[in-house]
Amino acid sequence: GAGVSQSPSNKVTEKGKDVELRCDPISGHTALYWYRQSLGQGLEFLIYFQGNSAPDKSGLPSDRFSAERTGGSVSTLTIQRTQQEDSAVYLCASSLGGWGNTEAFFGQGTRLTVV
Amino acid sequence: AQSVTQLGSHVSVSEGALVLLRCNYSSSVPPYLFWYVQYPNQGLQLLLKYTSAATLVKGINGFEAEFKKSETSFHLTKPSAHMSDAAEYFCAVSVRNFNKFYFGSGTKLNVKP
Repeated sequence: GAGVSQSPSNKVTEKGKDVELRCDPISGHTALYWYRQSLGQGLEFLIYFQGNSAPDKSGLPSDRFSAERTGGSVSTLTIQRTQQEDSAVYLCASSLGGWGNTEAFFGQGTRLTVV
Repeated sequence: AQSVTQLGSHVSVSEGALVLLRCNYSSSVPPYLFWYVQYPNQGLQLLLKYTSAATLVKGINGFEAEFKKSETSFHLTKPSAHMSDAAEYFCAVSVRNFNKFYFGSGTKLNVKP
């Protein structure tokens, strides 16, 4: 596609349920990032995938969070046993490489509300 | 380690006035620096980036930023604000061979008529 696509755009879930957020990066982009944006906060790094390398999971806030990237393309962020503090906008971005000087293209995000 | 500080979570200017959004970074190695803009209910869009070429970087929509190594700053400016500039602006830092973009906490720009 032309840009980074995220689905769903909005998700309301009950506390304790599991949710899956999907990210379709730009074709050919080897690097994929997940960030979380909470109300009034900046962007919090969650996880980074680069090609076939082991992902950098250092930003995942708890073991309830996990992510995978299948075939070097689509990524899914899973939150198990959701809590109210998980409510946020989850942003996915992709870039041509992890060299730092390349632009990261962002999707429009998934707004997660845990009630 | 890298980090970014954006001074002022909210900035308000009048239409036609100078826009100045401040960004200071911390990096142990030469950084790459970015400004992103986020309009309501949209993702982030790159405004401009510094990648060790010219220290004065021009971006889209009339914005520019100057990399000042001595001040560890990368402030964003625009000579004349327009109503359409109202948005949230994020400064970010990354370094070569590193795998994260570190973002500041953002500055919301309000433009008054």
